[in-house]
Amino acid sequence: KNQVEQSPQSLIILEGKNCTLQCNYTVSPFSNLRWYKQDTGRGPVSLTIMTFSENTKSNGRYTATLDADTKQSSLHITASQLSDSASYICVVSGLTGGGNKLTFGTGTQLKVEL
Amino acid sequence: GAVVSQHPSWVICKSGTSVKIECRSLDFQATTMFWYRQFPKQSLMLMATSNEGSKATYEQGVEKDKFLINHASLTLSTLTVTSAHPEDSSFYICSASRQLNTGELFFGEGSRLTVL
Repeated sequence: KNQVEQSPQSLIILEGKNCTLQCNYTVSPFSNLRWYKQDTGRGPVSLTIMTFSENTKSNGRYTATLDADTKQSSLHITASQLSDSASYICVVSGLTGGGNKLTFGTGTQLKVEL
Repeated sequence: GAVVSQHPSWVICKSGTSVKIECRSLDFQATTMFWYRQFPKQSLMLMATSNEGSKATYEQGVEKDKFLINHASLTLSTLTVTSAHPEDSSFYICSASRQLNTGELFFGEGSRLTVL
C-alpha cells in the first residue's frame, strides 16, 4: 500500500530559526514528490516539485531534498518568519496504468513564534 | 501562476438540503480536476478525480450518489453534496491540472460547508 508519512506532526520554533520537515514514502513506481504550504482555511500552494533525478530544489527560503533510493525527502526552512506558520504537506505521485496517482501525507503543522 | 477559483467560499445550510460548490480554472483549461475534503487538523483526503466529459472516478468509501461531480467543460467542475447532514460539514477543496491525471496541481481556496 502506498503511504506517505511526515514528521514531526507539529513543530513550534522561534522566528529567525531554521527547521527541517521530513517525508518518508513507500509509493512505487515513483513519479515525483511535491511539497505544499497550506495556510489555515486556505487552499494549498505549491512550493516545489521534484522528479527522480533531482536531489535538491530551492524556492526562496525553502529548500527541498530528495533521496529516491531511501524514499525520503526533507523540506528545510531558513530564517523562519511568522508567515511561515502553516501546514506543510508532502505529496508523492506514483505511476499507475491509468496515469499518476497522488498520495498525500498528513502534514506537519508549523508554528513560528516571536 | 494559474488561478483556480472556488465558490462559495463558505456556506451554511439546513440538514436535508443539497449544496453545490463550483470550481473554475480562470486562465487555463483543466483537463483533470480533483475534489478533496479536509477535517480540522487533518490532511486532504481525495474524494474523486474528474476528467472533462467523462464520469468521475471516486475513491474507495466515497458515496457517488451522495457527492455528485460534474465536469462539463474544461474550466468548470461542480461538487453537489446531496441531502446534506451535519457529518458532511467539512472543508472542501478542488484542484485542477492541465494534463490528464498528472502535472502541476493548482488548488482552489476551498469551501467551508456547515450543515445545521
